[in-house]
Amino acid sequence: EAGVAQSPRYKIIEKRQSVAFWCNPISGHATLYWYQQILGQGPKLLIQFQNNGVVDDSQLPKDRFSAERLKGVDSTLKIQPAKLEDSAVYLCASSLGPGRGKGETQYFGPGTRLLVL
Amino acid sequence: GDSVTQMEGPVTLSEEAFLTINCTYTATGYPSLFWYVQYPGEGLQLLLKATKADDKGSNKGFEATYRKETTSFHLEKGSVQVSDSAVYFCALSYNNAGNMLTFGGGTRLMVKP
Repeated sequence: EAGVAQSPRYKIIEKRQSVAFWCNPISGHATLYWYQQILGQGPKLLIQFQNNGVVDDSQLPKDRFSAERLKGVDSTLKIQPAKLEDSAVYLCASSLGPGRGKGETQYFGPGTRLLVL
Repeated sequence: GDSVTQMEGPVTLSEEAFLTINCTYTATGYPSLFWYVQYPGEGLQLLLKATKADDKGSNKGFEATYRKETTSFHLEKGSVQVSDSAVYFCALSYNNAGNMLTFGGGTRLMVKP
């Protein structure tokens, strides 16, 4: 079974530029998450999708970050314009979805490492 | 709000030593608890989990017990190997909150031969 795919793996941009990350979850997984992991910290949830609907985006900086999952499969996270503090690893994760009981496992992709200069 | 606190690293051990990585949590309800591991150059992967008090999660020789009375989920292994060198993250989630994970800051483990 193929895992969660993400691209690109690395990206270097200058501040005020825009950048986009792509994620393809495990086939059949209804729930998709984007996390931001700043160096030396644990991942922090940015946004969660259930199929193509947003479940939680309370921690997404909406003035510069946007995300979509138009057909309920793959997803794109965009930053425009980027700031220095956006330098981090952006992780995508997926899970089967609701109704699976407590402690559902999330499967993570390899992440995209972003450096903003 | 909910939070997870882990012991700071790095933790440096010799091969075959006993490992404990402390994890405590603050939660308003009764979450599920997880340990995820991040090996060098790889993505996060689930190591073990427990969904209710007194449950013990185990995998690859690692164990952790859900202690509601001390709000803890300490990770233990009796004999570590060099291949266990990684960053370990403790996390919690609620089934009725979309199962989003709240992570601790991570603990780097370095095992020397």
